[in-house]
Amino acid sequence: AQSVTQPDIHITVSEGASLELRCNYSYGATPYLFWYVQSPGQGLQLLLKYFSGDTLVQGIKGFEAEFKRSQSSFNLRKPSVHWSDAAEYFCAVAVSTDSWGKFQFGAGTQVVVTP
Amino acid sequence: NAGVTQTPKFRVLKTGQSMTLLCAQDMNHEYMYWYRQDPGMGLRLIHYSVGEGTTAKGEVPDGYNVSRLKKQNFLLGLESAAPSQTSVYFCASLTSLETQYFGPGTRLLVL
Repeated sequence: AQSVTQPDIHITVSEGASLELRCNYSYGATPYLFWYVQSPGQGLQLLLKYFSGDTLVQGIKGFEAEFKRSQSSFNLRKPSVHWSDAAEYFCAVAVSTDSWGKFQFGAGTQVVVTP
Repeated sequence: NAGVTQTPKFRVLKTGQSMTLLCAQDMNHEYMYWYRQDPGMGLRLIHYSVGEGTTAKGEVPDGYNVSRLKKQNFLLGLESAAPSQTSVYFCASLTSLETQYFGPGTRLLVL
């Protein structure tokens, strides 16, 4: 079955430390990949996306993600976390441009930033 | 440019009552979506629309109906609310860059 998995439900990181959030997908073809962030009480905001080309993509707020076809992964990273990065992060996929109605989201990873 | 707006922001219903959630976008987007968000389950697609007058079922459509009579509006209806429909509902529209733009959400409590 097609799926998007975020293995970590909750991550605690110290301010200034690096952060990596994992995302794995299970689809027959390479999907279109997205990372969104949700601050408390807010809607989702796009951080970055991957459609094709360079497998390392840069996003907003200093985030980057790397697509690894061999591992079916699209992990999100940030070298130095700020207190404002505390939020919930969602990985999402769309199977093809012919099915933009078929977005599927992971369960999310809650990030807590400690002083 | 207000983006995607949702009405109401919060609502309490009794079991069996009906209500309609309104999503409006002023960006002339063709695609619109309704999701529900529940703890530990991420966002699940309820219904979506690829254009005015068209709708399609998503992952969890049961108990909900939708209409897209005008391009800018996407309505989500609950005909007979159940406690299992307590959730946060998000509307989204699709930009020309194939990216979803989300509204602020509607928090619904069904007693």
